[in-house]
Amino acid sequence: DQQVKQNSPSLSVQEGRISILNCDYTNSMFDYFLWYKKYPAEGPTFLISISSIKDKNEDGRFTVFLNKSAKHLSLHIVPSQPGDSAVYFCAASAGSSQGAQKLVFGQGTRLTINP
Amino acid sequence: NAGVTQTPKFRILKIGQSMTLQCTQDMNHNYMYWYRQDPGMGLKLIYYSVGAGITDKGEVPNGYNVSRSTTEDFPLRLELAAPSQTSVYFCASSYPGGSNQPQHFGDGTRLSIL
Repeated sequence: DQQVKQNSPSLSVQEGRISILNCDYTNSMFDYFLWYKKYPAEGPTFLISISSIKDKNEDGRFTVFLNKSAKHLSLHIVPSQPGDSAVYFCAASAGSSQGAQKLVFGQGTRLTINP
Repeated sequence: NAGVTQTPKFRILKIGQSMTLQCTQDMNHNYMYWYRQDPGMGLKLIYYSVGAGITDKGEVPNGYNVSRSTTEDFPLRLELAAPSQTSVYFCASSYPGGSNQPQHFGDGTRLSIL
C-alpha cells in the first residue's frame, strides 16, 4: 500500500529547459507536502514545501503545484541547471504526532540535466 | 556547523550480530527521526523522538530499538541482525512546530547483513 507514488523513475531534461517532476498520493488526510533533493552518498536536503490549503508555492527557480482533487503534486524547475541533477523525493505528512512530522516518501525520480 | 552526524558510514554485519548506529545533532533540535531506504524505494520511518526520554514507533519498527537520553543523541540499535535489514539508514532532526519545520538529514549509514 504505497500512499505516495512517483511513477517516473527517471527524467532527462536539457539545460535551460523546464523540469517537471510528478507525485501522486492516496491518503486524503495528508496536509503537508515536501520535496527533497538527494545527491549520491549524501542525505536528502529539503527543497520546497506546500500546505494543503494552498495550490502553489514558489521559491526562486522552484515551484510546487498541488491539485487536491486529483491528489497530485508537481515540482517545476525552471530554468534547469546541471547542478539540479539528483534524485528528487516527494514526501507527505498527515498532521503531526506530538508535533513530530511523520513523513511518507515516494520512491524518488532521478533527474538528469544534459548540457 | 556539523548538522546531523551519523557513524559509521559503512558496516558489514553477520546474521545474528548486533550493533548500534550512532546519530548526533548540534542544532539543538527537539525532534529526531530514523529512516531506512531500500534500493529503488523511498525512505520509511523506523522510530522518532520528540525529546529526551520520549520515543515512539514509526512505520517499520520491528527488529530495532532506540533510546534518547540527551537532546543531541539518538542511537538506533539492531539486536539480531537479519538480511532483511540490509539498507541505508538515515537519521534526521527538526525543530518543533509540526509540519512546517523541515527535517535535516545526515549522510546515512550503509549497512549490509551477510
